[in-house]
Amino acid sequence: AQTVTQSQPEMSVQEAETVTLSCTYDTSESDYYLFWYKQPPSRQMILVIRQEAYKQQNATENRFSVNFQKAAKSFSLKISDSQLGDAAMYFCAYRLAGTASKLTFGTGTRLQVTL
Amino acid sequence: NAGVTQTPKFQVLKTGQSMTLQCAQDMNHEYMSWYRQDPGMGLRLIHYSVGAGITDQGEVPNGYNVSRSTTEDFPLRLLSAAPSQTSVYFCASSALWTSGSYNEQFFGPGTRLTVL
Repeated sequence: AQTVTQSQPEMSVQEAETVTLSCTYDTSESDYYLFWYKQPPSRQMILVIRQEAYKQQNATENRFSVNFQKAAKSFSLKISDSQLGDAAMYFCAYRLAGTASKLTFGTGTRLQVTL
Repeated sequence: NAGVTQTPKFQVLKTGQSMTLQCAQDMNHEYMSWYRQDPGMGLRLIHYSVGAGITDQGEVPNGYNVSRSTTEDFPLRLLSAAPSQTSVYFCASSALWTSGSYNEQFFGPGTRLTVL
């Protein structure tokens, strides 16, 4: 079974600084997707960024980028120029490529952004 | 498009009561699923469906029942509520995946359920 591990329950960053959230996963599959979801206090799950395992290039979405190390099974999220609105729970998730689209989530990292 | 909608947003039940959490989507998605979110445990899959008339169990199915009579609706039933079912419940939907294609999974706003 696939597992996703987020070892940082809480992180803090100052506004305008950069922070990296860690995620490791375990799978024996070669074709899969990895995601970072943001959950603000509203509870809404918001997709931040995704990475296809077959792509070597790291995904980037504006101030959000990932460091995908397939051999090490590591998938970290870097948030640059942090803003107050980035404060939220962040979940790393894994999804095997195929028809039954089950997401496996990590336990989450709560990010605080301070002035 | 309303996307994925869930009702109610909040619910308080007594132990042993039954209720149905409603989920609907207007995107003609074949795949629908229910997750529960507990503190420190992330989201865990309860049940899922790949189309009308087809359902299957996820990681934590005990105490829950589902059916899928239409593409749009995927209700989650608690037959006899227990305090251990106190949680936030999320419904999600997406088009079915095929190898090499990506279809984003859309989440509803969640239902906070408390069982006393």
